[in-house]
Amino acid sequence: DTGVSQDPRHKITKRGQNVTFRCDPISEHNRLYWYRQTLGQGPEFLTYFQNEAQLEKSRLLSDRFSAERPKGSFSTLEIQRTEQGDSAMYLCASSLAQGLAGELFFGEGSRLTVL
Amino acid sequence: QKEVEQDPGPLSVPEGAIVSLNCTYSNSAFQYFMWYRQYSRKGPELLMYTYSSGNKEDGRFTAQVDKSSKYISLFIRDSQPSDSATYLCAISYTGNQFYFGTGTSLTVIP
Repeated sequence: DTGVSQDPRHKITKRGQNVTFRCDPISEHNRLYWYRQTLGQGPEFLTYFQNEAQLEKSRLLSDRFSAERPKGSFSTLEIQRTEQGDSAMYLCASSLAQGLAGELFFGEGSRLTVL
Repeated sequence: QKEVEQDPGPLSVPEGAIVSLNCTYSNSAFQYFMWYRQYSRKGPELLMYTYSSGNKEDGRFTAQVDKSSKYISLFIRDSQPSDSATYLCAISYTGNQFYFGTGTSLTVIP
């Protein structure tokens, strides 16, 4: 499978714990995005990388959230001291900067449940 | 004010009907307009893409952008049960950061 893969698919944690999600983009894609989606809502932009550089972060991304893409390949999204309001689907997407703007290829998401 | 507004529906139509899905947006500077389809428990997938204004057709799907009214539409002709999904509009200024609507849930009844 050469699509975007995310791990884990589902994470249940207790409030206050730290969680980390991983995203492996399509191999030749140089852009990687993180979005958050709650039930009945569209995806909300969190951050994006071009290669290893984090170019933009949303104001939604509080200091408890940190994302990395150390070698310009896979990316991790860590949430520290989770809160119940963090419960959501975390979607990763990748694209080619030189390709069709807007052609994001999404993974199937990592669902976070904070108890 | 949100960047893009979309009626969440739900919308239920009989098979073969023409479906019209719509979004309005707030800033005339947006240049990139997309429609994504999302099946339950899956990530969104790109359906249609339009840069600037005008119409674009792809099979049973037609996307329209009216920049003067800040209004975008997706039409589905001869709707099929397999079209049952949530449809998300998305807009962007530069093709970097994308703002998504809340999505419209569509059910096509056989």
